[in-house]
Amino acid sequence: GAGVSQSPSNKVTEKGKDVELRCDPISGHTALYWYRQSLGQGLEFLIYFQGNSAPDKSGLPSDRFSAERTGGSVSTLTIQRTQQEDSAVYLCASTPGTVNSPLHFGNGTRLTVT
Amino acid sequence: AQSVTQLDSQVPVFEEAPVELRCNYSSSVSVYLFWYVQYPNQGLQLLLKYLSGSTLVESINGFEAEFNKSQTSFHLRKPSVHISDTAEYFCAVSEKGGGSQGNLIFGKGTKLSVKP
Repeated sequence: GAGVSQSPSNKVTEKGKDVELRCDPISGHTALYWYRQSLGQGLEFLIYFQGNSAPDKSGLPSDRFSAERTGGSVSTLTIQRTQQEDSAVYLCASTPGTVNSPLHFGNGTRLTVT
Repeated sequence: AQSVTQLDSQVPVFEEAPVELRCNYSSSVSVYLFWYVQYPNQGLQLLLKYLSGSTLVESINGFEAEFNKSQTSFHLRKPSVHISDTAEYFCAVSEKGGGSQGNLIFGKGTKLSVKP
């Protein structure tokens, strides 16, 4: 079946602009995660959704970052007034929500802020 | 707070040689442990996981990892690597009882490059 889909795959934007990154999880997966992968920094947890609610937003690096999820499905990560340090690969993952189920990752959106 | 340390950022090896990718973690509670792999130009995928029971876990492609509670380690090993094992490997930990595996905390990754 279809995996986790992220769009766009690549995004180049100018410093100060807003960007929206989209994640389509696997159908039926109730939990959705956003991570950021920066060069040499590994994967940094950003936010976690269970259904449409976000019980853990602790990883969002600043108030310029926000995310929402609607209909228990698609999620959008928004970065306002982008900065060069926001350049990274943004990864989305979903899981059915049971303890033994692994995270299924999308291929990510590579964001470059010029 | 949990943390994961992967001491080696890059590991170059020759084909058919053994390899060990090291992972140590820090946590004040019981944890689940995972290794994820990212092949070139592909997304992250689960390689193996330790949830409970036997401390030695294996993947379908010959990798194994052993949970050592006293040393807080979860090193990944393979006795004979193949060119196709070239990838970046991430160790991750999540807190037991955190729901849906909790939030995975990842190490910075180890790039394994296998040379002919």
